[in-house]
This record gives sequence, structure tokens and C-alpha cells, in this order.
Amino acid sequence: SAVISQKPSRDICQRGTSLTIQCQVDSQVTMMFWYRQQPGQSLTLIATANQGSEATYESGFVIDKFPISRPNLTFSTLTVSNLSPEDSSIYLCSVEDRGGNTIYFGEGSWLTVV
Amino acid sequence: AQSVTQLGSHVSVSEGALVLLRCNYSSSVPPYLFWYVQYPNQGLQLLLKYTSAATLVKGINGFEAEFKKSETSFHLTKPSAHMSDAAEYFCAVSGGFGNEKLTFGTGTRLTIIP
Repeated sequence: SAVISQKPSRDICQRGTSLTIQCQVDSQVTMMFWYRQQPGQSLTLIATANQGSEATYESGFVIDKFPISRPNLTFSTLTVSNLSPEDSSIYLCSVEDRGGNTIYFGEGSWLTVV
Repeated sequence: AQSVTQLGSHVSVSEGALVLLRCNYSSSVPPYLFWYVQYPNQGLQLLLKYTSAATLVKGINGFEAEFKKSETSFHLTKPSAHMSDAAEYFCAVSGGFGNEKLTFGTGTRLTIIP
């Protein structure tokens, strides 16, 4: 299994600002994923981040709003830009294990925009 | 493309009774199927997974699920509910090895009645 650490675990931000979430994995992984879970909702994939290439965004998510970095095989960041109350969600980082058949999640980053 | 339907957004069972959480999937390729649990104010924890091996899959905390291709189902069961099982449960599907993006169901909130 993979151990995934996310920072911050919780934050309260002013609208119009940005928040950068960090995801650190204890082993090298090829693919990292960022999900959003809005209050009372299920999870929705934002983008897939591969090291050395641009992130691939899902429909409804754009790079200007959710820029992602993937500088190496154990680390990624997700920035949520120009925050509005609608961005209040849990943001979760996930990775595939070395066998390529299991996806593990971090504890999530709880964002509240005021 | 994949999709998941979880029947019943809320399920209540008495302590010691059978837990049955329903999940039906749709996939254009042989799927990988997962059940995750989310305890209050926590991230997602993998309960169990099906990756084209044995159709009856045993997971943590006494849970198990059976993959039934003819019924396109992957229902989660536990013979005897415990108070600590109260949580949100998510069924998810991916397109298998090399296509690890997860599509989640809407979740089922399990309540245990003392």
C-alpha cells in the first residue's frame, strides 16, 4: 500500500485568494489523481497528473482554475485559484499502487471559502 | 466509459444484523471494482477490490463483496453489523489495468441502530 500525506488538512480562505494543496507519497508512483468531494456529494475526478507532462483535466475542470504541478514521482500540488464559496470542498489526492490495480487516497484537505 | 449506481442513499440496520449495500456498474471494458469507506471527517479507506481474480472478495473489518457479471453487480455485505460500521460507503469502478481513473457512485450512508 501507499502512504499519502496531504497538507493542509484544513483551511479557511477568503474569496478571491488561492490555496495550494500538497500531496506527498512514500514511494514513487507513475500516476497521481486529484479528486473533489463537495459537501454531501460523491467524489469527482479533477485531473490526472503524470510526472514530466501536463496534467490531464476532466470535463468541467480547467488548468487556469486548478493548476497542478508534478515535479517528481512522489509529489504533486493542486492549486485552487480565485476562490469562491462554491469551491468549499474536500480535495483528495490519490495514487495507484505499484501493481497498477489499486487506488489509495490521502486523508483529504478540507477547504472552506468565506 | 464507466458508471456506478448505488441503490439507497441511506441504509439503517440493527446492530448484529446483516449489512447489504448495493452497487451496480456499467463498463465497456472488463472492470476493476472497489468499495471505499469514509468515516466522519476522514478521508477514504479501501475496504476491498475486485481485479478479475476471485469473484468473491474479502476485505477488511469483516466485509466482503461478490462480483456478478451477469447482474453487473458488486454488492457489499457483512454478516453482523457493528456500531463502528456507521460511515459513508462508496462503490467505484475503473477501466482496469492501465485505466485507473475511478468513477464513484453517489455513496450510501450506513446507520447502525443499537
